[in-house]
Amino acid sequence: GQQLNQSPQSMFIQEGEDVSMNCTSSSIFNTWLWYKQEPGEGPVLLIALYKAGELTSNGRLTAQFGITRKDSFLNISASIPSDVGIYFCAGQNQGNKLVFGAGTILRVKS
Amino acid sequence: DGGITQSPKYLFRKEGQNVTLSCEQNLNHDAMYWYRQDPGQGLRLIYYSQIVNDFQKGDIAEGYSVSREKKESFPLTVTSAQKNPTAFYLCASKNRDPSYNEQFFGPGTRLTVL
Repeated sequence: GQQLNQSPQSMFIQEGEDVSMNCTSSSIFNTWLWYKQEPGEGPVLLIALYKAGELTSNGRLTAQFGITRKDSFLNISASIPSDVGIYFCAGQNQGNKLVFGAGTILRVKS
Repeated sequence: DGGITQSPKYLFRKEGQNVTLSCEQNLNHDAMYWYRQDPGQGLRLIYYSQIVNDFQKGDIAEGYSVSREKKESFPLTVTSAQKNPTAFYLCASKNRDPSYNEQFFGPGTRLTVL
Protein backbone atom coordinates (compact mmCIF):
# COMPACT_ATOMS: atom_id res chain seq x y z
CA GLY A 1 0.00 0.00 0.00
CA GLN A 2 0.88 3.65 -0.03
CA GLN A 3 3.30 5.03 2.52
CA LEU A 4 3.46 8.21 4.49
CA ASN A 5 6.84 9.25 5.87
CA GLN A 6 6.37 10.74 9.31
CA SER A 7 9.19 12.38 11.24
CA PRO A 8 10.65 12.47 13.72
CA GLN A 9 10.05 8.96 15.02
CA SER A 10 10.30 10.19 18.60
CA MET A 11 10.93 13.35 20.57
CA PHE A 12 11.91 13.91 24.21
CA ILE A 13 11.44 17.56 25.04
CA GLN A 14 11.35 19.89 28.01
CA GLU A 15 7.99 21.11 29.26
CA GLY A 16 7.24 24.50 27.73
CA GLU A 17 9.09 23.84 24.48
CA ASP A 18 7.41 23.95 21.09
CA VAL A 19 7.12 20.74 19.05
CA SER A 20 7.04 20.25 15.30
CA MET A 21 6.42 17.06 13.32
CA ASN A 22 5.61 16.43 9.69
CA CYS A 23 4.44 13.92 7.14
CA THR A 24 5.40 13.62 3.50
CA SER A 25 4.17 11.48 0.66
CA SER A 26 4.98 10.83 -2.97
CA SER A 27 1.24 10.96 -3.68
CA ILE A 28 -1.16 13.87 -3.64
CA PHE A 29 -3.79 13.86 -0.91
CA ASN A 30 -7.06 15.78 -0.72
CA THR A 31 -7.39 15.42 3.05
CA TRP A 32 -4.86 15.40 5.89
CA LEU A 33 -5.81 14.35 9.41
CA TRP A 34 -3.82 14.45 12.64
CA TYR A 35 -4.56 12.07 15.53
CA LYS A 36 -3.21 11.57 19.04
CA GLN A 37 -3.13 8.15 20.68
CA GLU A 38 -2.49 7.44 24.34
CA PRO A 39 -1.31 4.01 25.54
CA GLY A 40 -3.94 1.31 25.21
CA GLU A 41 -6.52 3.66 23.68
CA GLY A 42 -7.84 4.45 20.23
CA PRO A 43 -6.58 7.50 18.28
CA VAL A 44 -8.42 10.76 18.87
CA LEU A 45 -8.83 13.23 16.03
CA LEU A 46 -7.04 16.53 16.62
CA ILE A 47 -7.25 18.46 13.37
CA ALA A 48 -8.69 17.88 9.88
CA LEU A 49 -7.37 19.72 6.81
CA TYR A 50 -9.18 19.82 3.46
CA LYS A 51 -7.56 22.55 1.35
CA ALA A 52 -4.01 22.98 0.09
CA GLY A 53 -2.35 25.75 2.06
CA GLU A 54 -4.93 25.57 4.83
CA LEU A 55 -3.65 26.45 8.30
CA THR A 56 -5.86 25.35 11.19
CA SER A 57 -5.48 25.69 14.94
CA ASN A 58 -6.98 23.79 17.85
CA GLY A 59 -5.83 25.38 21.08
CA ARG A 60 -2.05 25.00 21.26
CA LEU A 61 -2.03 22.82 18.16
CA THR A 62 -1.57 24.17 14.65
CA ALA A 63 -1.51 22.09 11.47
CA GLN A 64 -1.01 22.98 7.83
CA PHE A 65 -1.93 21.28 4.57
CA GLY A 66 1.12 21.65 2.31
CA ILE A 67 0.70 23.68 -0.85
CA THR A 68 1.93 20.76 -2.98
CA ARG A 69 -0.70 18.52 -1.31
CA LYS A 70 2.06 16.01 -0.56
CA ASP A 71 2.87 17.05 2.98
CA SER A 72 1.49 18.34 6.26
CA PHE A 73 2.92 19.47 9.56
CA LEU A 74 1.70 19.68 13.14
CA ASN A 75 3.03 22.13 15.71
CA ILE A 76 2.38 22.04 19.44
CA SER A 77 3.23 25.21 21.32
CA ALA A 78 4.29 25.40 24.96
CA SER A 79 4.16 21.65 25.57
CA ILE A 80 2.77 20.28 28.82
CA PRO A 81 3.03 16.78 30.36
CA SER A 82 -0.41 15.70 29.10
CA ASP A 83 0.80 16.16 25.51
CA VAL A 84 2.61 12.83 25.89
CA GLY A 85 1.45 10.22 23.40
CA ILE A 86 1.83 9.07 19.83
CA TYR A 87 0.82 11.47 17.08
CA PHE A 88 -0.26 10.08 13.73
CA CYS A 89 -0.82 11.77 10.42
CA ALA A 90 -3.26 10.28 7.92
CA GLY A 91 -3.99 11.17 4.33
CA GLN A 92 -6.83 10.37 1.99
CA ASN A 93 -6.64 10.62 -1.79
CA GLN A 94 -9.35 8.37 -3.20
CA GLY A 95 -12.26 6.33 -2.07
CA ASN A 96 -12.94 6.22 1.63
CA LYS A 97 -9.58 4.89 2.83
CA LEU A 98 -6.91 6.58 4.91
CA VAL A 99 -3.15 5.98 4.77
CA PHE A 100 -1.36 6.41 8.11
CA GLY A 101 2.14 7.48 9.04
CA ALA A 102 4.11 5.35 11.51
CA GLY A 103 3.64 7.90 14.28
CA THR A 104 5.76 10.32 16.33
CA ILE A 105 6.26 9.37 19.98
CA LEU A 106 6.28 12.48 22.16
CA ARG A 107 7.72 12.46 25.66
CA VAL A 108 7.77 15.57 27.83
CA LYS A 109 10.13 16.25 30.74
CA SER A 110 8.57 18.33 33.47
CA ASP B 1 -23.56 9.51 24.32
CA GLY B 2 -22.68 8.85 20.69
CA GLY B 3 -19.59 6.81 20.03
CA ILE B 4 -17.90 3.60 19.04
CA THR B 5 -17.55 0.68 21.41
CA GLN B 6 -15.28 -2.32 21.05
CA SER B 7 -15.36 -5.43 23.15
CA PRO B 8 -13.67 -7.07 24.81
CA LYS B 9 -10.78 -4.76 25.78
CA TYR B 10 -8.41 -7.71 26.17
CA LEU B 11 -8.73 -11.09 24.50
CA PHE B 12 -6.64 -14.20 24.77
CA ARG B 13 -6.77 -17.00 22.26
CA LYS B 14 -5.11 -20.33 21.85
CA GLU B 15 -3.42 -21.10 18.58
CA GLY B 16 -5.81 -22.65 16.09
CA GLN B 17 -8.92 -20.96 17.47
CA ASN B 18 -11.07 -18.43 15.69
CA VAL B 19 -12.08 -15.35 17.67
CA THR B 20 -14.56 -12.55 16.97
CA LEU B 21 -14.03 -8.93 17.95
CA SER B 22 -17.06 -6.71 18.38
CA CYS B 23 -17.48 -3.15 17.06
CA GLU B 24 -20.67 -1.14 17.53
CA GLN B 25 -21.38 2.52 16.72
CA ASN B 26 -24.38 4.76 17.37
CA LEU B 27 -23.14 7.68 15.29
CA ASN B 28 -25.37 6.77 12.34
CA HIS B 29 -22.23 6.40 10.21
CA ASP B 30 -22.44 4.38 7.03
CA ALA B 31 -18.76 3.46 6.67
CA MET B 32 -16.86 1.29 9.14
CA TYR B 33 -13.26 0.09 9.21
CA TRP B 34 -10.99 -2.40 10.94
CA TYR B 35 -7.29 -1.66 11.46
CA ARG B 36 -4.44 -3.58 12.95
CA GLN B 37 -1.72 -1.80 14.93
CA ASP B 38 1.69 -3.28 15.71
CA PRO B 39 4.40 -1.54 17.76
CA GLY B 40 6.29 1.10 15.82
CA GLN B 41 3.97 0.91 12.83
CA GLY B 42 1.10 2.93 11.54
CA LEU B 43 -2.40 1.56 11.32
CA ARG B 44 -2.95 -0.99 8.58
CA LEU B 45 -6.37 -1.51 7.03
CA ILE B 46 -7.85 -5.01 7.28
CA TYR B 47 -11.41 -4.61 5.93
CA TYR B 48 -13.86 -1.81 5.40
CA SER B 49 -17.54 -1.45 4.68
CA GLN B 50 -19.25 1.53 3.12
CA ILE B 51 -22.79 0.25 3.42
CA VAL B 52 -24.77 -2.59 4.98
CA ASN B 53 -24.23 -6.01 3.37
CA ASP B 54 -21.15 -4.81 1.50
CA PHE B 55 -17.48 -4.84 2.46
CA GLN B 56 -14.05 -4.75 0.79
CA LYS B 57 -10.62 -6.12 1.60
CA GLY B 58 -8.00 -3.73 2.84
CA ASP B 59 -4.24 -4.12 2.64
CA ILE B 60 -3.91 -7.08 5.05
CA ALA B 61 -7.18 -9.05 4.80
CA GLU B 62 -5.66 -12.54 4.72
CA GLY B 63 -6.71 -14.58 7.76
CA TYR B 64 -9.57 -12.24 8.66
CA SER B 65 -13.28 -12.14 7.87
CA VAL B 66 -16.06 -9.62 8.49
CA SER B 67 -19.81 -9.19 8.16
CA ARG B 68 -22.01 -6.12 7.97
CA GLU B 69 -25.58 -7.21 8.61
CA LYS B 70 -26.53 -4.05 10.51
CA LYS B 71 -25.47 -0.43 10.06
CA GLU B 72 -24.39 -0.24 13.70
CA SER B 73 -22.25 -3.36 13.82
CA PHE B 74 -19.11 -4.55 12.01
CA PRO B 75 -17.62 -7.63 13.75
CA LEU B 76 -14.17 -8.92 12.83
CA THR B 77 -13.25 -12.60 13.00
CA VAL B 78 -9.60 -13.49 13.35
CA THR B 79 -9.28 -16.98 11.95
CA SER B 80 -6.70 -19.67 12.58
CA ALA B 81 -5.30 -18.86 9.13
CA GLN B 82 -3.90 -15.56 10.42
CA LYS B 83 -0.24 -16.40 11.08
CA ASN B 84 0.59 -13.63 13.53
CA PRO B 85 -2.65 -12.42 15.12
CA THR B 86 -1.25 -10.87 18.30
CA ALA B 87 -1.87 -7.13 17.88
CA PHE B 88 -4.02 -4.16 18.87
CA TYR B 89 -7.19 -4.00 16.77
CA LEU B 90 -8.99 -0.74 16.14
CA CYS B 91 -12.43 -0.13 14.68
CA ALA B 92 -13.40 3.19 13.13
CA SER B 93 -16.38 4.76 11.42
CA LYS B 94 -17.16 7.78 9.28
CA ASN B 95 -19.94 9.54 7.48
CA ARG B 96 -20.28 8.16 3.96
CA ASP B 97 -20.34 11.67 2.46
CA PRO B 98 -17.07 11.83 0.42
CA SER B 99 -16.54 15.48 1.39
CA TYR B 100 -16.34 14.45 5.04
CA ASN B 101 -13.26 12.25 5.53
CA GLU B 102 -12.80 12.17 9.30
CA GLN B 103 -12.71 8.70 10.82
CA PHE B 104 -13.52 8.21 14.51
CA PHE B 105 -12.00 5.35 16.45
CA GLY B 106 -13.12 2.99 19.17
CA PRO B 107 -10.97 2.21 22.23
CA GLY B 108 -9.43 -0.91 20.69
CA THR B 109 -9.11 -4.61 21.53
CA ARG B 110 -5.76 -6.14 22.39
CA LEU B 111 -5.59 -9.73 21.15
CA THR B 112 -2.93 -12.05 22.47
CA VAL B 113 -2.39 -15.55 21.11
CA LEU B 114 -1.04 -17.92 23.71
